[in-house]
Amino acid sequence: GQNIDQPTEMTATEGAIVQINCTYQTSGFNGLFWYQQHAGEAPTFLSYNVLDGLEEKGRFSSFLSRSKGYSYLLLKELQMKDSASYLCAVSAGNNRKLIWGLGTSLAVNP
Amino acid sequence: DADVTQTPRNRITKTGKRIMLECSQTKGHDRMYWYRQDPGLGLRLIYYSFDVKDINKGEISDGYSVSRQAQAKFSLSLESAIPNQTALYFCATSSPGADVHEQYFGPGTRLTVT
Repeated sequence: GQNIDQPTEMTATEGAIVQINCTYQTSGFNGLFWYQQHAGEAPTFLSYNVLDGLEEKGRFSSFLSRSKGYSYLLLKELQMKDSASYLCAVSAGNNRKLIWGLGTSLAVNP
Repeated sequence: DADVTQTPRNRITKTGKRIMLECSQTKGHDRMYWYRQDPGLGLRLIYYSFDVKDINKGEISDGYSVSRQAQAKFSLSLESAIPNQTALYFCATSSPGADVHEQYFGPGTRLTVT
C-alpha cells in the first residue's frame, strides 16, 4: 500500500531550528512536496524534492533520500508566524496524484 | 486577483438539502481536484478531473458528485447533505507537464450541515 508518516505535533522556541520528518512507502515515486497550512487557511507550497539531497530556500530547507523513503523539512530562525501545520505529500504513479500525510502541527513559543 | 477561487466561503445548510460548491481558476491548468479536510484526518481526495472530459473518483466520493463545466470551472455537489459532511472543502489545480507539478489551492469553503 501507499503510506506517509509524519509526527502529529512538535513544539519549538522562537529563534531555534526544528526538523520535521516524513517517511513514505509508495510505488512510482515522482517527487515529494512540503506545504504549509495555517489554521483555517489553504495549504501553500513550500518545497519540492525529486533528487536526493538538500534543497534550500531562505529559512526553509528540505532533504530527500529516495532509497530510505525519507524526507525532512528544516526550519531555521523560527518565528511566531511559523506556527502552522506542515504537510508532506508524495507524487506517485503515471498520473502524478499526490498522496498526503496527515500533517505536523508546529507550535512556536516565545 | 486570486488564481483559484471558491464560492461560497462559508455555508450552513440543513440535512437533506442539495448544495453546490463552485471552483474557478485563472491559472490555465488542466487538472482540478476537490478535497475535504477534517481534524485528524488530513486532506482526502473526493474527485479529480484531468480535463473537461475526464472525471475520476477519489478515495471518498460517496455522497458527492462533480461537474467540469469548462477548463476553468469544477463544481462539487452534495445531493442530500448529511451532518458528517461538515468539513472544510478545498479545490486545487495543477499542471502535470510542469517540472514542479505542485497543486495550487483555493481559499476553502467551510460547510456546516445541521
